[in-house]
Amino acid sequence: EVQLVESGGGLVQPGGSLRLSCAASGFTFSSYWMSWVRQAPGKGLEWVANIKQDGSEKYYVDSVKGRFTISRDNAKNSLYLQMNSLRAEDTAVYYCARVRGLTVAYWYFDLWGRGTLVTVSS
Amino acid sequence: SYVLTQPPSVSVAPGKTARITCGGNNIGSKSVHWYQQKPGQAPVLVIYYDSDRPSGIPERFSGSNSGNTATLTISRVEAGDEADYYCQVWDSSSDLGVFGGGTKLTVL
Repeated sequence: EVQLVESGGGLVQPGGSLRLSCAASGFTFSSYWMSWVRQAPGKGLEWVANIKQDGSEKYYVDSVKGRFTISRDNAKNSLYLQMNSLRAEDTAVYYCARVRGLTVAYWYFDLWGRGTLVTVSS
Repeated sequence: SYVLTQPPSVSVAPGKTARITCGGNNIGSKSVHWYQQKPGQAPVLVIYYDSDRPSGIPERFSGSNSGNTATLTISRVEAGDEADYYCQVWDSSSDLGVFGGGTKLTVL
Protein backbone atom coordinates (compact mmCIF):
# COMPACT_ATOMS: atom_id res chain seq x y z
CA GLU A 1 0.00 0.00 0.00
CA VAL A 2 1.22 3.45 -0.92
CA GLN A 3 1.44 5.47 2.28
CA LEU A 4 3.27 7.99 4.42
CA VAL A 5 3.39 7.66 8.20
CA GLU A 6 4.62 10.49 10.40
CA SER A 7 5.97 10.17 13.92
CA GLY A 8 7.92 12.13 16.50
CA GLY A 9 5.40 14.75 17.53
CA GLY A 10 4.73 15.70 21.12
CA LEU A 11 4.86 18.42 23.74
CA VAL A 12 7.98 20.57 23.85
CA GLN A 13 8.86 23.75 25.71
CA PRO A 14 9.51 27.02 23.89
CA GLY A 15 13.10 27.11 22.71
CA GLY A 16 13.27 23.33 22.60
CA SER A 17 13.90 20.91 19.75
CA LEU A 18 12.05 18.04 18.12
CA ARG A 19 12.74 15.75 15.18
CA LEU A 20 9.86 14.52 13.06
CA SER A 21 10.08 11.44 10.87
CA CYS A 22 8.03 10.24 7.93
CA ALA A 23 8.21 6.63 6.74
CA ALA A 24 7.31 6.06 3.10
CA SER A 25 6.18 2.76 1.63
CA GLY A 26 4.61 1.38 -1.52
CA PHE A 27 6.46 3.64 -3.98
CA THR A 28 10.02 4.51 -5.01
CA PHE A 29 10.74 7.15 -2.39
CA SER A 30 14.04 8.22 -3.93
CA SER A 31 12.29 9.32 -7.14
CA TYR A 32 10.25 12.11 -5.60
CA TRP A 33 10.65 15.53 -4.10
CA MET A 34 9.10 15.49 -0.63
CA SER A 35 7.53 18.12 1.56
CA TRP A 36 6.34 19.07 5.04
CA VAL A 37 3.08 20.97 5.40
CA ARG A 38 1.62 22.09 8.74
CA GLN A 39 -1.75 23.11 10.09
CA ALA A 40 -2.18 25.06 13.32
CA PRO A 41 -5.23 24.12 15.40
CA GLY A 42 -8.36 25.41 13.70
CA LYS A 43 -6.34 27.10 10.97
CA GLY A 44 -5.48 26.50 7.33
CA LEU A 45 -2.66 24.66 5.62
CA GLU A 46 0.85 26.15 5.50
CA TRP A 47 3.66 24.79 3.35
CA VAL A 48 6.87 24.43 5.40
CA ALA A 49 9.67 22.87 3.33
CA ASN A 50 10.59 20.83 0.25
CA ILE A 51 13.58 18.60 -0.47
CA LYS A 52 14.87 17.25 -3.78
CA GLN A 53 15.25 13.56 -4.49
CA ASP A 54 18.95 13.48 -3.59
CA GLY A 55 18.73 16.11 -0.87
CA SER A 56 20.78 18.63 -2.85
CA GLU A 57 18.06 21.30 -2.98
CA LYS A 58 15.84 22.50 -0.18
CA TYR A 59 13.23 25.25 0.12
CA TYR A 60 11.75 26.70 3.30
CA VAL A 61 9.00 29.11 4.27
CA ASP A 62 10.53 32.28 5.71
CA SER A 63 9.14 31.73 9.21
CA VAL A 64 11.21 28.56 9.75
CA LYS A 65 14.42 29.43 7.91
CA GLY A 66 17.43 29.01 10.17
CA ARG A 67 15.41 27.00 12.71
CA PHE A 68 14.09 23.97 10.78
CA THR A 69 16.05 21.55 8.61
CA ILE A 70 14.49 19.11 6.17
CA SER A 71 16.47 15.99 5.29
CA ARG A 72 15.97 12.49 3.96
CA ASP A 73 17.50 9.01 3.98
CA ASN A 74 16.61 7.23 0.76
CA ALA A 75 18.11 3.96 2.02
CA LYS A 76 15.56 4.02 4.85
CA ASN A 77 12.70 5.52 2.77
CA SER A 78 12.44 8.24 5.35
CA LEU A 79 11.93 11.99 5.48
CA TYR A 80 12.83 14.12 8.49
CA LEU A 81 12.22 17.58 9.91
CA GLN A 82 14.60 18.80 12.59
CA MET A 83 12.93 21.64 14.46
CA ASN A 84 15.01 23.87 16.74
CA SER A 85 14.25 27.04 18.70
CA LEU A 86 10.59 26.12 18.71
CA ARG A 87 7.98 28.79 19.33
CA ALA A 88 4.36 28.67 20.40
CA GLU A 89 3.35 29.59 16.85
CA ASP A 90 4.96 26.37 15.58
CA THR A 91 2.20 24.40 17.31
CA ALA A 92 0.49 22.44 14.55
CA VAL A 93 -0.18 19.11 12.96
CA TYR A 94 2.75 18.41 10.65
CA TYR A 95 2.01 16.47 7.48
CA CYS A 96 4.50 14.71 5.26
CA ALA A 97 3.52 14.95 1.58
CA ARG A 98 4.79 13.70 -1.77
CA VAL A 99 5.47 16.35 -4.38
CA ARG A 100 4.43 15.95 -7.98
CA GLY A 101 4.56 18.24 -11.02
CA LEU A 102 6.10 18.61 -14.44
CA THR A 103 8.35 21.42 -13.25
CA VAL A 104 8.64 23.45 -10.07
CA ALA A 105 6.01 25.91 -11.25
CA TYR A 106 3.47 23.08 -11.32
CA TRP A 107 4.23 21.43 -7.98
CA TYR A 108 1.39 19.93 -5.99
CA PHE A 109 0.99 17.31 -3.24
CA ASP A 110 -0.59 14.05 -4.32
CA LEU A 111 -0.04 11.84 -1.26
CA TRP A 112 -0.32 12.88 2.39
CA GLY A 113 0.35 11.20 5.70
CA ARG A 114 -2.09 11.44 8.60
CA GLY A 115 0.08 13.94 10.43
CA THR A 116 1.76 14.24 13.81
CA LEU A 117 0.89 16.89 16.39
CA VAL A 118 3.56 19.21 17.74
CA THR A 119 2.63 21.32 20.76
CA VAL A 120 4.99 24.04 21.93
CA SER A 121 4.06 25.15 25.40
CA SER A 122 5.51 25.63 28.86
CA SER B 1 4.73 37.15 -1.35
CA TYR B 2 1.91 35.73 -3.42
CA VAL B 3 -1.51 35.67 -1.75
CA LEU B 4 -4.48 33.41 -2.50
CA THR B 5 -7.90 34.57 -1.29
CA GLN B 6 -10.81 32.20 -0.68
CA PRO B 7 -14.26 32.89 0.78
CA PRO B 8 -14.42 31.52 4.34
CA SER B 9 -17.63 29.64 3.70
CA VAL B 10 -19.97 28.46 0.96
CA SER B 11 -23.35 26.82 1.52
CA VAL B 12 -25.28 24.74 -0.98
CA ALA B 13 -28.32 22.46 -0.99
CA PRO B 14 -27.92 18.78 -1.86
CA GLY B 15 -28.07 18.15 -5.58
CA LYS B 16 -27.10 21.71 -6.45
CA THR B 17 -23.80 23.10 -7.72
CA ALA B 18 -21.16 24.58 -5.43
CA ARG B 19 -18.54 26.98 -6.70
CA ILE B 20 -15.51 27.83 -4.58
CA THR B 21 -13.28 30.62 -5.78
CA CYS B 22 -9.58 31.27 -5.29
CA GLY B 23 -8.36 34.75 -6.11
CA GLY B 24 -4.82 35.81 -6.87
CA ASN B 25 -2.95 38.33 -8.97
CA ASN B 26 -2.92 36.92 -12.52
CA ILE B 27 -3.57 33.46 -11.11
CA GLY B 28 -4.54 32.38 -14.62
CA SER B 29 -0.83 32.26 -15.43
CA LYS B 30 -0.21 29.75 -12.64
CA SER B 31 -1.14 26.12 -12.15
CA VAL B 32 -3.77 25.75 -9.42
CA HIS B 33 -4.43 22.67 -7.33
CA TRP B 34 -7.29 21.90 -4.94
CA TYR B 35 -7.51 19.80 -1.78
CA GLN B 36 -10.42 18.52 0.26
CA GLN B 37 -10.02 18.09 4.00
CA LYS B 38 -12.65 16.52 6.22
CA PRO B 39 -12.54 16.99 10.01
CA GLY B 40 -9.73 15.05 11.65
CA GLN B 41 -8.38 13.80 8.34
CA ALA B 42 -5.45 14.61 6.09
CA PRO B 43 -6.02 16.66 2.94
CA VAL B 44 -6.88 14.85 -0.26
CA LEU B 45 -5.99 16.12 -3.73
CA VAL B 46 -9.16 16.61 -5.81
CA ILE B 47 -7.94 18.77 -8.72
CA TYR B 48 -4.47 19.42 -10.12
CA TYR B 49 -3.17 21.45 -13.06
CA ASP B 50 -6.28 23.68 -12.86
CA SER B 51 -8.73 21.04 -14.05
CA ASP B 52 -7.33 17.51 -13.95
CA ARG B 53 -8.84 14.93 -11.61
CA PRO B 54 -6.78 12.25 -9.84
CA SER B 55 -8.03 8.73 -10.19
CA GLY B 56 -10.82 8.00 -7.75
CA ILE B 57 -12.15 11.56 -7.65
CA PRO B 58 -15.72 11.78 -8.98
CA GLU B 59 -16.41 13.59 -12.25
CA ARG B 60 -18.65 15.91 -10.23
CA PHE B 61 -15.45 17.75 -9.25
CA SER B 62 -14.07 20.12 -11.87
CA GLY B 63 -11.84 23.16 -11.99
CA SER B 64 -11.12 26.22 -14.09
CA ASN B 65 -8.62 29.06 -13.98
CA SER B 66 -8.55 32.37 -15.80
CA GLY B 67 -7.57 35.95 -15.14
CA ASN B 68 -7.47 36.60 -11.41
CA THR B 69 -9.75 33.76 -10.30
CA ALA B 70 -9.59 29.98 -10.16
CA THR B 71 -12.77 28.05 -9.41
CA LEU B 72 -13.51 24.62 -8.00
CA THR B 73 -16.95 23.44 -9.07
CA ILE B 74 -18.76 20.57 -7.39
CA SER B 75 -21.86 19.42 -9.25
CA ARG B 76 -24.75 17.47 -7.75
CA VAL B 77 -23.44 18.13 -4.27
CA GLU B 78 -23.76 15.33 -1.73
CA ALA B 79 -23.66 15.40 2.06
CA GLY B 80 -20.28 13.67 1.92
CA ASP B 81 -18.79 16.66 0.11
CA GLU B 82 -19.02 18.74 3.25
CA ALA B 83 -15.43 19.66 4.05
CA ASP B 84 -12.80 22.38 3.94
CA TYR B 85 -11.34 23.08 0.51
CA TYR B 86 -7.96 24.68 -0.14
CA CYS B 87 -6.42 26.01 -3.33
CA GLN B 88 -2.64 25.93 -3.80
CA VAL B 89 -0.01 27.22 -6.19
CA TRP B 90 3.77 27.26 -6.29
CA ASP B 91 5.19 30.78 -6.47
CA SER B 92 8.28 30.32 -8.62
CA SER B 93 9.42 33.91 -8.13
CA SER B 94 9.97 33.32 -4.42
CA ASP B 95 10.32 29.52 -4.33
CA LEU B 96 7.40 29.20 -1.94
CA GLY B 97 4.39 26.96 -1.73
CA VAL B 98 1.21 28.94 -1.18
CA PHE B 99 -2.19 27.81 0.09
CA GLY B 100 -5.40 29.77 0.18
CA GLY B 101 -7.01 30.30 3.56
CA GLY B 102 -9.57 27.58 2.93
CA THR B 103 -13.31 27.48 2.35
CA LYS B 104 -15.73 25.54 4.49
CA LEU B 105 -18.39 23.93 2.32
CA THR B 106 -21.65 23.35 4.15
CA VAL B 107 -24.32 21.12 2.63
CA LEU B 108 -27.67 22.40 3.85
